Amino acid sequence: QKEVEQNSGPLSVPEGAIASLNCTYSDRGSQSFFWYRQYSGKSPELIMFIYSNGDKEDGRFTAQLNKASQYVSLLIRDSQPSDSATYLCAVNQMSKFYFGTGTSLTVIP
Amino acid sequence: GAVVSQHPSWVICKSGTSVKIECRSLDFQATTMFWYRQFPKQSLMLMATSNEGSKATYEQGVEKDKFLINHASLTLSTLTVTSAHPEDSSFYICSARDRVGASNSPLHFGNGTRLTVT
Repeated sequence: QKEVEQNSGPLSVPEGAIASLNCTYSDRGSQSFFWYRQYSGKSPELIMFIYSNGDKEDGRFTAQLNKASQYVSLLIRDSQPSDSATYLCAVNQMSKFYFGTGTSLTVIP
Repeated sequence: GAVVSQHPSWVICKSGTSVKIECRSLDFQATTMFWYRQFPKQSLMLMATSNEGSKATYEQGVEKDKFLINHASLTLSTLTVTSAHPEDSSFYICSARDRVGASNSPLHFGNGTRLTVT
């Protein structure tokens, strides 16, 4: 499987702060990029996706994509304790989805 | 929104037996479904791509004779773990994409099946 890399963390931020999650991928042919959130023992939930270079905002979440650097990130503004979870980066390569190892985020009240 | 239903949620079986897991798209048709496996504190590993009306395609290192996949209709795919052994104990998750969506549309996940082989 093509490589999708994430810092496993754990990442801790205080409530109200900005959490920054990063992901790099090896396949330059990757077409689209997704961020999922996974709570322990549960299946992943889609947060947002991005196809084009630049930023995409959805509420408190902003995805950033830089295809030249093969880098995608997720910013969470005004972090809440309920945001504490593992965040998975997924990359669409030839219509298959490959996942990174995930970053564990803890938001401290 | 798109809903994927997966059953059972959990199953305990004895070593050497087979277990079937069902994955259904409830409100959309899925030409393709994907089966993932997740071990504790690890990421989702793609096992195979299930194609309606044709053979599944397996990722490297996944035994097709051990993990049988059937995608008989546009709303149902099944994964059968044959002759299960304790090392097959894992969290199995299916996912699907709406057939009418763009090829870049996101995956929708079932709730997963936790398999424990004793």
